[in-house]
Amino acid sequence: EAQVTQNPRYLITVTGKKLTVTCSQNMNHEYMSWYRQDPGLGLRQIYYSMNVEVTDKGDVPEGYKVSRKEKRNFPLILESPSPNQTSLYFCASTEITGGSGANVLTFGAGSRLTVL
Amino acid sequence: AQKITQTQPGMFVQEKEAVTLDCTYDTSDQSYGLFWYKQPSSGEMIFLIYQGSYDEQNATEGRYSLNFQKARKSANLVISASQLGDSAMYFCAMREKDFGNEKLTFGTGTRLTIIP
Repeated sequence: EAQVTQNPRYLITVTGKKLTVTCSQNMNHEYMSWYRQDPGLGLRQIYYSMNVEVTDKGDVPEGYKVSRKEKRNFPLILESPSPNQTSLYFCASTEITGGSGANVLTFGAGSRLTVL
Repeated sequence: AQKITQTQPGMFVQEKEAVTLDCTYDTSDQSYGLFWYKQPSSGEMIFLIYQGSYDEQNATEGRYSLNFQKARKSANLVISASQLGDSAMYFCAMREKDFGNEKLTFGTGTRLTIIP
């Protein structure tokens, strides 16, 4: 089954304790991205990657890091989490056509993170 | 200005009735795409329907149709014969021309509740 898999699905942590949310896709997509969802704000892009070793900032990158060492994996790293990073996180992937095309972003099931 | 505006935070609709979820957008691009996603209480993001800016016909997918009025910059989702399983959060999103970044800009969502 074509899918994007995120882990963990739920996590409660404390301020300053480094954590990684993993993301893996089995559709051979070049493009992967992370979003966070907050009430009243919709989903906002954190980082994206056009291919292996190519990553760039989205709209809300502060406090996050990413890496793309393999095509299928795109982990999100919170080096020193803070309570304002409590959110629902989504990983997504699709093909690349140069933007504004009909390529559908396939989302993972979401990872709910709480930082105390 | 908001790029995607969903003015209905919540809606209640009787089962089997049709429902229209409003979405207006703001872009100066000639080429763009409009998407609707459904988010049930389980949290995943489910793609429903896509409309390209150059598409002359309104998009349809089963019970979903997109009422695209380009001059008004609106892309309303119409669900015919609503079902209890349609109760969910619905997000309108837009992709503008941004080479390499298949980013979607999301609205704040409309929570739809279907009443038996």
